[in-house]
Amino acid sequence: DIQMTQSPSSLSASVGDRVTISCRASQTIATYLNWYQQKPGKAPKLLIYAASTLESVVPSRFSGSGSGTDFTLTISSLQPEDFATYYCQQSYITPWTFGQGTNVEIK
Amino acid sequence: QVQLVQSGSELKKAGASVKVSCKASGYTFTSYVMNWVRQAPGQGLEWMGWIDTNTGNPTYAQGFTGRFVFSLDTSVTTAYLQISSLEAEDTAMYYCAREDSPVYGLDYWGQGSLVTVSS
Repeated sequence: DIQMTQSPSSLSASVGDRVTISCRASQTIATYLNWYQQKPGKAPKLLIYAASTLESVVPSRFSGSGSGTDFTLTISSLQPEDFATYYCQQSYITPWTFGQGTNVEIK
Repeated sequence: QVQLVQSGSELKKAGASVKVSCKASGYTFTSYVMNWVRQAPGQGLEWMGWIDTNTGNPTYAQGFTGRFVFSLDTSVTTAYLQISSLEAEDTAMYYCAREDSPVYGLDYWGQGSLVTVSS
């Protein structure tokens, strides 16, 4: 199975900060990498697919980059509604696997 | 609009069975596969597998074979997850999520169904 490793596991940031979350795959996955946001008590929400394509209605402050094994999710200016847990997921080879999550907290 | 509406919370005793439903609307049901994802309390997301809504053919991830069964009723555009011989470790939130193709990710999710297993 492909292992997905996110870093950091958690971070504290302030409104307006630029935030970067990394995701590394244990083998190449081309650009079959998706990012999800999950708020407490809610289902995950797809933010980005194919490493860098923003899902419709997702704000443009979110962006994704990378290919192969190393990927990044960037929030250019953190907003109050962005405090949540973020997961990466590979869809290159089954079983689909998720990173362990990155919890973005208010500083 | 696309909606996946799941059945409510369940409290079951160890050894019992449970069947979770996921009612789809707002799109052509058989054009998307349906995935199932588990989230244990305070933990991350774990892919359980999927079911091809055209053929009814299920694919299970390792660790979800034997006691877990995916099924469909296309006449009512509903996918089901049945878990038998429940164990305390099955206590979790279970999500259904549709997928067009691997390129596009899991784009719509149900609200989740909490299954609690008491010993």
